[in-house]
Amino acid sequence: QSVVTQPPSASGPPGHRLTISCSGANSNIGTNYVHWYQQLPGTAPKLLISRDNQRPSGVPDRFSASKSGTSASLAISGLRSEDEADYYCSVWDDSLRGTVFGGGTQLTVL
Amino acid sequence: QVQLVESGGGVVQPGRSLRLSCAAFGFTFNDFGINWVRQAPGKGLEWVALISYDGTDQYYADSVKGRFTISRDNSKNTVDLQMNGLRGDDTAMYFCARGDGSGSGYGIDVWGQGTTVTVSS
Repeated sequence: QSVVTQPPSASGPPGHRLTISCSGANSNIGTNYVHWYQQLPGTAPKLLISRDNQRPSGVPDRFSASKSGTSASLAISGLRSEDEADYYCSVWDDSLRGTVFGGGTQLTVL
Repeated sequence: QVQLVESGGGVVQPGRSLRLSCAAFGFTFNDFGINWVRQAPGKGLEWVALISYDGTDQYYADSVKGRFTISRDNSKNTVDLQMNGLRGDDTAMYFCARGDGSGSGYGIDVWGQGTTVTVSS
């Protein structure tokens, strides 16, 4: 059981807008930046969103993120088939003195 | 081009040791903390360890504390992960990953391609 919780799966049709949640605690999300990663099948993870809501160069603006209190969310608009991947949130935990990852959300584009 | 290249993975018997290495290219290595993150087959990502930019601070997941040691050589742009007392649940792909800052509290912005560790008799 991860310290930070994500839904195990999410799905939507092409063109749809979808959100993935990441729920934690004061010692992690409530205090530190949340980051999001996309992992396509058989590849290394890739940074999607850093520091709660910053999109690195090259990441489409279809991807956005927000945070409130001890929860964060990743939004993907205009779903495409190439968005099918696993999505992870991560955050530093002050109590554990380490980074924690959410369990990951497998996204299916129907 | 910013790049991290892992090496040293392989098949090892339970209880034995293995040393992973990560070579960094294309950035000022001694400005950044470096992490190891692993992923067991079919499972999610698990953070393993972090070393600060100058090597003075190390942080470990509870699952590896006392068995794994992270170190770095800023003259060679490398980070090592010494893994002792390996167990079956250490079987995973191990990724070297750059922190987006000098030490703790930061995310990860660059990932290597990973090296596979299999612990089996």
